[in-house]
Amino acid sequence: DTGVSQDPRHKITKRGQNVTFRCDPISEHNRLYWYRQTLGQGPEFLTYFQNEAQLEKSRLLSDRFSAERPKGSFSTLEIQRTEQGDSAMYLCASSPILGQREAGYRYNEQFFGPGTRLTVL
Amino acid sequence: EDQVTQSPEALRLQEGESSSLNCSYTVSGLRGLFWYRQDPGKGPEFLFTLYSAGEEKEKERLKATLTKKESFLHITAPKPEDSATYLCAVQAGTSGNTPLVFGKGTRLSVIA
Repeated sequence: DTGVSQDPRHKITKRGQNVTFRCDPISEHNRLYWYRQTLGQGPEFLTYFQNEAQLEKSRLLSDRFSAERPKGSFSTLEIQRTEQGDSAMYLCASSPILGQREAGYRYNEQFFGPGTRLTVL
Repeated sequence: EDQVTQSPEALRLQEGESSSLNCSYTVSGLRGLFWYRQDPGKGPEFLFTLYSAGEEKEKERLKATLTKKESFLHITAPKPEDSATYLCAVQAGTSGNTPLVFGKGTRLSVIA
C-alpha cells in the first residue's frame, strides 16, 4: 500500500515535554500538509510544503511548533514545551502538483494519513 | 474569510432510509469542494471533488452535488456500514493546492 503513513499513531506525554511526529507522503507527491483536529471539529490547517520549501504557516502554529521536510520526502512536526491545549489528532496529507497524474488523482486532491493522537497530561 | 457550515450536526437513520447532508460555503474563488468520510480514530478518507456548479459525482450509495452556495451529499438506502462522520471542505484562491477549509462534519448513524 502506498498511502500516507504517520508515526507514532498515539503519543502520551507530560506537560512541558517535547514531541516529534513523522509523516511519509504518497510516493512522488510534491505537496505535504499538516492539520490538527480536536474532538467534534473539522481538521484545521497548520502548515504546508512544496518539496522542501515551507510555503505557508497558519496563525495556529505558535513558536513552539516547528515543521521540516528535508529533501522533500518525509516531514516532521515538533512541538516543544507541550501544553494540555496541544492535545489533538495531528493529521498529515499529501497532494500531487499540477500536471501529475498518479493512479487517476486530480492535482488538488489531498489524501490523509491515519493521524497521530497526542495526549498531554 | 472562507467558511464552511455543515448541517445537521448529527443524523440518525434507519437502514434503507435515504437522506441528504448539507454543506454551505462562502469562499473567495472556489477552486474545489471536497467530501471526506472519517471513521472514529482514523484520518479522513477521500470521497469526491466537485469543481463547478451543476456538477455531480456518484459512488455506490453516495451522490454529491454542487451549487454556487452549497453542496449536498445524498445517501440512498444507507446501510449500517455507512455510519461515520462526513466532512466537507473547500479550496479557494487562484493557485492550486492551497490548504483546505473544513466544516465541523455531520455524524451519521445508520441503525439496522
